[in-house]
This record gives sequence, C-alpha cells and structure tokens, in this order.
Amino acid sequence: DVKVTQSSRYLVKRTGEKVFLECVQDMDHENMFWYRQDPGLGLRLIYFSYDVKMKEKGDIPEGYSVSREKKERFSLILESASTNQTSMYLCASSFDPGTSPTLFATNEKLFFGSGTQLSVL
Amino acid sequence: ILNVEQSPQSLHVQEGDSTNFTCSFPSSNFYALHWYRWETAKSPEALFVMTLNGDEKKKGRISATLNTKEGYSYLYIKGSQPEDSATYLCAVSGGFKTIFGAGTRLFVKA
Repeated sequence: DVKVTQSSRYLVKRTGEKVFLECVQDMDHENMFWYRQDPGLGLRLIYFSYDVKMKEKGDIPEGYSVSREKKERFSLILESASTNQTSMYLCASSFDPGTSPTLFATNEKLFFGSGTQLSVL
Repeated sequence: ILNVEQSPQSLHVQEGDSTNFTCSFPSSNFYALHWYRWETAKSPEALFVMTLNGDEKKKGRISATLNTKEGYSYLYIKGSQPEDSATYLCAVSGGFKTIFGAGTRLFVKA
C-alpha cells in the first residue's frame, strides 16, 4: 500500500519556537508538496519540490522554509512559529511524467499524508 | 486560474438519497481537474482526474463530468451511504497554478 507519512498527527508549540514537520513517501515520486488548510479556504500551497534539493515557492511561503535532502523526505520548517501559523498541514507527493506544461500544472493525482494539526500558543 | 468555487459548502442527506455538487472555475488556461475525498482523520484520496471537455468518469456509485468550455464539473453520488460522509475537494490545474476549492462537506444520515 503506497504511503505518505507525516511525523505527527497533533503538535502544540509556543510562539517563537522553531518547528519541523516531516514527510516521507515510499512511491519514489519526484514531486512533493506542503499545503495548509484553514476553515473556509481551499488547500493553499506553501512550497513545492520537484527534485532533491530543488524547491519552488507556492502561494504562501512567508514564514516557512523547506528542505529536501533525499528524494523520499520533504521537511517543512517554521523558523519562528507564530499564532497565525496554527493550521492543518498536509504533505503530498506525485509522479512527474515530464509532460506537464508547467511545474505547477499537473494531471497526475496527488497522494496525501493524513495531516498534522499544529497549534501555536 | 484565479479562483475555484465549490457549492454547496455543506450538504445533509438521508441514506439512499442521490446528490451532486459543483466545482466552478475560469475556463481559460485549463489543464486538468481533480476530485478528492477527505474523510475525517484520514488522508485526502484521489477520486478522479479529468482533462478533456465532456469527460465522464465513474467509480462505483460516484461519477463526475467535466465542461471546460463553461468552466464547471459535477460530482454525483448515487444512493448515498453513511460511509460517503466526507469533504469533497476539487482542484483545477492551469496556467502556472493548481488551485483547490474550499470543499463540499457531505453528511449522510442513516
């Protein structure tokens, strides 16, 4: 069974702490993504990686950074957590057939982790 | 692609009812439309990916249609069951973005 695994289901942190959210996929996918989901809003892309050590900013990268040192692992880092970063964070991965017209447009389905609910107090 | 709208926001139906939701999007620069089902405490799961105008896809009691000229997709569930209770997400790829709608939350009462 293919899997995207996020390291924590729930996390509580204090304002100003450095926070690491880890994501691992076992499908040898090239693309990996970090999204956040807030009530009443669609999933919003924070960062995207299309290869090891490669990253692209999504729609809301401010306050976040990412690391992809190995193909299977994509980490999201909150350098100094703030209360407005309280949210559900979802990691996803997808296969890249090399036919997409741009980095961000795809007809390949996303495989998601089960999410990390982060509360920043 | 500027905005992906899903309606209704939420829906309460009885077991056995058939139901449908809508995903609307700007039709310019369209590349693909995705439907996902997200059950509480689980991972969102892909239902369909559609690319061609007039596409119809079916998976069991769930089916979807796509109209890229007018910019909408319908998701249908025939004979809803309690296990269909979930949030249904639509995502549209085009131009330089893939944008998710806010989802339709379906509650099916036994």
